[in-house]
Amino acid sequence: QVQLQESGPGLVKPSQTLSLTCTVSGGSISSGGYYWSWIRQHPGKGLEWIGYVYDSGTTYYNPSLKSRVTISVDTSKNQFSLNLSSVTAADTAVYYCARAGGAGPYNWFDPWGQGTLVTVSS
Amino acid sequence: SSELTQDPTVSVALGQTVRITCQGDSLRGYYASWYQQKPGQAPVLVMYGRNNRPSGIPDRFSGSSSGNTASLTITGAQAEDEADYYCNSRDSSAYHEVFGGGTKLTVL
Repeated sequence: QVQLQESGPGLVKPSQTLSLTCTVSGGSISSGGYYWSWIRQHPGKGLEWIGYVYDSGTTYYNPSLKSRVTISVDTSKNQFSLNLSSVTAADTAVYYCARAGGAGPYNWFDPWGQGTLVTVSS
Repeated sequence: SSELTQDPTVSVALGQTVRITCQGDSLRGYYASWYQQKPGQAPVLVMYGRNNRPSGIPDRFSGSSSGNTASLTITGAQAEDEADYYCNSRDSSAYHEVFGGGTKLTVL
C-alpha cells in the first residue's frame, strides 16, 4: 500500500526557509485523482492544513500561510516538497505529509507520513 | 474562512456509546472526515463521506451529518479508542481545508 515519509532538517534558524520532502512509495504520485498535502501540528495543539499540490503542479494554500509557502511536486522522484520561508518560533511543529483524495462533497487525508518535528531556533 | 468547532473533551464508560460532534458552516455543503490520533502517532482516517469506514477500521465507528453538524459515533467504546479525534472538511468559500480543534476522548 501507499506509504509516505517526510525528510528534512529538524532544526531551522529564524528567518531562514524550512524545507521538507515527502517521498511516496508503493504507488505513483502521478496515478491521478489524488492531491498531495502538508499538514502541521504545533506542540500539544491541533492540526493545521498548510496546502496541497496536484500532480499537475496546481497548488492551493492556507490563506494564513500563503505568502510564505511553496509546495511543489517532482513526479520523476515520486516526491513532493514544502518550503516555508521567513520562519519564526511559531513555525515550530510536527510536519506531516499526507495523500488527499475525494470528489464532490467529500474528501479525506489518507495515508499520513509519520511526521517530522521541526524546531525553529538559533 | 470557515471554522469547525469540537468539544475539547468527552468521556465514555467502557462498552458504552459516545458521539463526538463537529459544527461549522462548511458542513452544510461538505461532509466531514474524521481522524484518530494517539499520543506520539500520526493521525489515522477513521471515517469519511456520508458514512464510509476505511479498510481496517472497526464497525463500531459510524458517521452521520445533519445541517451544520457532523458526528462520529463509537458504539461500544473500547479502551483502545481513547485518543484525540479531529474532524476536517473543505472550506465552503474556497478550495481550502479546515480542521476542528480536536476532541480528547477518555474511556473510563
